[in-house]
Amino acid sequence: EADIYQTPRYLVIGTGKKITLECSQTMGHDKMYWYQQDPGMELHLIHYSYGVNSTEKGDLSSESTVSRIRTEHFPLTLESARPSHTSQYLCASSEQGLEGYTFGSGTRLTVV
Amino acid sequence: AQKVTQAQTEISVVEKEDVTLDCVYETRDTTYYLFWYKQPPSGELVFLIRRNSFDEQNEISGRYSWNFQKSTSSFNFTITASQVVDSAVYFCALSLFYNTDKLIFGTGTRLQVFP
Repeated sequence: EADIYQTPRYLVIGTGKKITLECSQTMGHDKMYWYQQDPGMELHLIHYSYGVNSTEKGDLSSESTVSRIRTEHFPLTLESARPSHTSQYLCASSEQGLEGYTFGSGTRLTVV
Repeated sequence: AQKVTQAQTEISVVEKEDVTLDCVYETRDTTYYLFWYKQPPSGELVFLIRRNSFDEQNEISGRYSWNFQKSTSSFNFTITASQVVDSAVYFCALSLFYNTDKLIFGTGTRLQVFP
């Protein structure tokens, strides 16, 4: 049974729409991450958080934004979706980082 | 700069064959961690192993084994007697001692095991 949940699993939306990808974890982990996985499979860190009210941008510039109001919840928002945002988005959490991340099943987003 | 290279984009084998997935990393740091993750068709990444830079002992876990060689900056992953359920994308990743939160992933190797 997954300890980190992402919804929706698949999403197809039109250009210009605002969307929020949900990520929740039940492990009490302070650290959470968002990765973008392009069709070529490569994974890029776009956002991370060390705890409540902490958010940082990752290595890959992204037009998305995140928030961390509760420990267990780390949603990602796109204010105006574009076809270039079509990708898989993977959420992860970790306790100390060293033990590896726990990943969610991902949200596969298609913007048409 | 740090980098992880997985030169094999896709590998196809027949069940029961042994297969080795290559991983070469670059870093100037002396303390770092190496990981392997499996991404099955369901999409999530599953943690397989973590190795720190001071531990070059090879590791075996069932049909899986890992060969870490600092001299060649490689951390290769071998599946013995492959099975159809091993079909997945496998990622090698690197993190640094002073920044363990940031995983640097390779581009992944897609393994297809045919019956």
